[in-house]
Amino acid sequence: DSGVTQTPKHLITATGQRVTLRCSPRSGDLSVYWYQQSLDQGLQFLIQYYNGEERAKGNILERFSAQQFPDLHSELNLSSLELGDSALYFCASSVEAEGVDTQYFGPGTRLTVL
Amino acid sequence: GNSVTQMEGPVTLSEEAFLTINCTYTATGYPSLFWYVQYPGEGLQLLLKATKADDKGSNKGFEATYRKETTSFHLEKGSVQVSDSAVYFCALTMFSGGYNKLIFGAGTRLAVHP
Repeated sequence: DSGVTQTPKHLITATGQRVTLRCSPRSGDLSVYWYQQSLDQGLQFLIQYYNGEERAKGNILERFSAQQFPDLHSELNLSSLELGDSALYFCASSVEAEGVDTQYFGPGTRLTVL
Repeated sequence: GNSVTQMEGPVTLSEEAFLTINCTYTATGYPSLFWYVQYPGEGLQLLLKATKADDKGSNKGFEATYRKETTSFHLEKGSVQVSDSAVYFCALTMFSGGYNKLIFGAGTRLAVHP
């Protein structure tokens, strides 16, 4: 158990809908990262937050957004969903943003768009 | 740019066989190197890491040595078990552009048969 929690574990929805994925980092970690894992694209970095502020953006679509709250949990919002958004979405956390440190991953949310 | 290349799978072994999964990297500067493991239906777990040249990371019988001269971080285990069947990801992290960028290889699937 990494200490990172994600809910829900599974999500099934229809095209055009909007969903919210939730992540709670390990105790003491200030950074939260979101990744998408799909069969054809592998593991893709989406976005990072550090202590409530956006720190870095990766391959995140404009239909997707995220935020980190004062209690440090984070939410990833996916809107106008398409079939191709079906994937595993992982959250990771680490102690600090600067320097080289270790990211610990949650169990993931499996999103299926029908 | 920075990248990680892993040997293609699947790797199929009999129980108690010796395992090597090759990983090489390209990076400007001095990355930290990681192996993550993903068991079926689960998230990514940190298996081991090494933060500087000649460091050896080890965990659960697995080990990997950070070789700067060959830019490699091969994963080895002397005697695999059926329970080691999983997908293994080699990764590097670099502090770049103000954040820790974690870059993954494509993953290598290991299947161990009794």
